[in-house]
Amino acid sequence: AQSVTQLGSHVSVSEGALVLLRCNYSSSVPPYLFWYVQYPNQGLQLLLKYTSAATLVKGINGFEAEFKKSETSFHLTKPSAHMSDAAEYFCAVRTGFQKLVFGTGTRLLVSP
Amino acid sequence: DAGVIQSPRHEVTEMGQEVTLRCKPISGHDYLFWYRQTMMRGLELLIYFNNNVPIDDSGMPEDRFSAKMPNASFSTLKIQPSEPRDSAVYFCASSPVAGSSYNEQFFGPGTRLTVL
Repeated sequence: AQSVTQLGSHVSVSEGALVLLRCNYSSSVPPYLFWYVQYPNQGLQLLLKYTSAATLVKGINGFEAEFKKSETSFHLTKPSAHMSDAAEYFCAVRTGFQKLVFGTGTRLLVSP
Repeated sequence: DAGVIQSPRHEVTEMGQEVTLRCKPISGHDYLFWYRQTMMRGLELLIYFNNNVPIDDSGMPEDRFSAKMPNASFSTLKIQPSEPRDSAVYFCASSPVAGSSYNEQFFGPGTRLTVL
């Protein structure tokens, strides 16, 4: 069965620093992978998705993720953190037509 | 479009009471999902519908939970009787379908349920 593992429940960075949120997947078939963001008291919003096209995927708000089959990873990065990036980030894998399984989430804290 | 609409946003009830959560998906979307989010278990898929028909309810915790979708613009998730361990944030999401490709799920703001 497909699954994702997010390493680190909390990540703290300073404003302007690199953001790196880790996600590893397990899948017996070529995976469809996603990153969602959840701001406080809101629902989840799609940041980006990988669907077997380009391995480097660009999303909204300056985020991008690279699919690495050899490492079974789909880490999320942003070159320079902004205070408004503070939120919880979820990695997800498609497990069936239209069905997703989410990771446990990583809370990003950004300090001035 | 107003996005996915959920009501109420907050619900506080006592153990044993019936709770009904409501969702209006985005117009034209064929799929509707109900999720539950807790600190302990994260985000769990409870059930999803395609064209108003339940497709997979394997995530529904027990018989106390039931979900319906009487038409394309409305769905309910009911808990009867409610228990304190049902306290969570419940999300509704919807997505369109285009051929065989995956489409983004659009989430509502959630209903925060507290069972005392």
